[in-house]
Amino acid sequence: EIVLTQSPTTMAASPGEKVTITCRASSSVSYMHWYQQKPGASPKPWIYDTSKLASGVPNRFSGSGSGTSYSLTISSMETEDTATYYCQQWSSNWTFGGGTKLELK
Amino acid sequence: QVQLKESGPGLVQPSQTLSLTCTVSGLSLTSNSVSWIRQPPGKGLEWMGVIWSNGGTDYNSAIKSRLSISRDTSKSQVFLKMNSLQTEDTAMYFCARSRLQYFDYWGQGVMVTVSS
Repeated sequence: EIVLTQSPTTMAASPGEKVTITCRASSSVSYMHWYQQKPGASPKPWIYDTSKLASGVPNRFSGSGSGTSYSLTISSMETEDTATYYCQQWSSNWTFGGGTKLELK
Repeated sequence: QVQLKESGPGLVQPSQTLSLTCTVSGLSLTSNSVSWIRQPPGKGLEWMGVIWSNGGTDYNSAIKSRLSISRDTSKSQVFLKMNSLQTEDTAMYFCARSRLQYFDYWGQGVMVTVSS
């Protein structure tokens, strides 16, 4: 089973600040996918196939990476971006990272 | 419009069996795969298992011995049964449409508490 490790676990960013969340896989994966989850809601697909934005996702978000290292970047933090973000991979089965809680500073 | 909705008992006693239903609309189970995913309070997401469009199943090895997923295509329903429940099985349980690589449609979830 491939283990995904996200960092940081928690972070706070000011409006307008650049944010980067990383996800490291215990073995190489072909793609990484990301979800946004707000309290009391189900996760929403956010970035799929490493770098493709899901419908309705603002273009200040981007995804990149390859092999065992992937990242989600927000070019300019906005209040509505406060949430927990999870990375996820598929390689014979699905696994999720532990999540990164992004708060407003 | 694709929708998934979970239903089931909110409270289950320890050692008992959990039965949940995922009712889907806007898609056919014979051409779509559905997974169950759970999330303990304040914790992360755990994929539990999938029923493929052809009816085959795969399970998370950590819970495989306790888990069964089935479906009724005529009713557009997917079922989860998990036995020998313990307090650590307390979680929000989601069903989600499984594209091969990721999950693009999720239900609202159903909270299950394991307690006597």
